[in-house]
Amino acid sequence: DQQVKQNSPSLSVQEGRISILNCDYTNSMFDYFLWYKKYPAEGPTFLISISSIKDKNEDGRFTVFLNKSAKHLSLHIVPSQPGDSAVYFCAASGTSGTYKYIFGTGTRLKVLA
Amino acid sequence: DSGVTQTPKHLITATGQRVTLRCSPRSGDLSVYWYQQSLDQGLQFLIQYYNGEERAKGNILERFSAQQFPDLHSELNLSSLELGDSALYFCASSVSVAGIHTGELFFGEGSRLTVL
Repeated sequence: DQQVKQNSPSLSVQEGRISILNCDYTNSMFDYFLWYKKYPAEGPTFLISISSIKDKNEDGRFTVFLNKSAKHLSLHIVPSQPGDSAVYFCAASGTSGTYKYIFGTGTRLKVLA
Repeated sequence: DSGVTQTPKHLITATGQRVTLRCSPRSGDLSVYWYQQSLDQGLQFLIQYYNGEERAKGNILERFSAQQFPDLHSELNLSSLELGDSALYFCASSVSVAGIHTGELFFGEGSRLTVL
């Protein structure tokens, strides 16, 4: 049972435009969400997180939106840069009883120059 | 550099063999997590340790086992290896006091296991 889903395996965006990566989750106990970026031959690196008490968190060019009623979160990258080309994973966790971080299958973003 | 060290970086072995992957967490981090990434798959959670004790278990096969030592480093043991065990194995650490989340996981660069 895939509790965290990233339904788009890949996404191509023109440099300077907005990239929107989506993530859906099924477990209502999740209350903490993270986005990671992964380059080939490297470990995932943390990008941005959001707690369920918020619906938006911003850090520079990266903004994460959380819609709890829809169990959906998205990562916006504006403006997109070629260096953003990587695989992006969303992850979810709960603070009440489960200490696992569950990851989605990833979305490969390609930013075209 | 995340501060999480994994060894070896690459490992090639044969079916039926046993290997040990090692992870040193960031200084001060008490929790260690192990993940498996098979070809084009997501990160599958295997197991978590906090301060030497197992705290959460995921889809870890019975042929696999792990432990966290008093110095907080962790080892993942994979035995009776099969071709399908070929994957990237990542270790991550976090501060995580008593299961209360204090932020993100920090990942090592992974150990690539190839089973021939």
